[in-house]
Amino acid sequence: DTEVTQTPKHLVMGMTNKKSLKCEQHMGHRAMYWYKQKAKKPPELMFVYSYEKLSINESVPSRFSPECPNSSLLNLHLHALQPEDSALYLCASSRGLTGTGDEKLFFGSGTQLSVL
Amino acid sequence: GDSVTQMEGPVTLSEEAFLTINCTYTATGYPSLFWYVQYPGEGLQLLLKATKADDKGSNKGFEATYRKETTSFHLEKGSVQVSDSAVYFCALTSSNTGNQFYFGTGTSLTVIP
Repeated sequence: DTEVTQTPKHLVMGMTNKKSLKCEQHMGHRAMYWYKQKAKKPPELMFVYSYEKLSINESVPSRFSPECPNSSLLNLHLHALQPEDSALYLCASSRGLTGTGDEKLFFGSGTQLSVL
Repeated sequence: GDSVTQMEGPVTLSEEAFLTINCTYTATGYPSLFWYVQYPGEGLQLLLKATKADDKGSNKGFEATYRKETTSFHLEKGSVQVSDSAVYFCALTSSNTGNQFYFGTGTSLTVIP
């Protein structure tokens, strides 16, 4: 199994809603990531988890709250989002932390989020 | 800091044409270099990679050579197909990037029959 699975594929939410994005991988990867991608732009890193501990938070607003319940699962809890938060949210995983020279990211297909 | 600069798009080619997408990098150390591809409505997929100077990455007819003297990692394919239509991202990572991938701005490729 070389897949990263994200659910849901599409999500529409109001600014007062609370929702969660889910990501799952069964490749035994110990690093997991959330990226945000606006249309026609490259992905922007939001959070990195390494061995289920938050390793990097790229100054993301607190209305985004990540959670890593175990080594296979990664959630992103959303609350009180703004319309400008509408984007494709990508989950990724790697065997270890990237930057070691040989790691590569495996991406899910993303959740297309629209905030009304 | 370390970064990659990618040629502007969009690029439109006829089927069977030769493709080059330019990518140059700036790095203080020895980065690993990658090309990722994103098909419409999907996440990014690794296309190829090279981890040291003079390495050539190749996959599905695409090639890129890590050239330290010109700090480049240009993507090439000899004969493109309609199914190659996608957005291509050059990326790097290294011990200097704090465990992050740095992506280029992406180049949109459309191949017409």
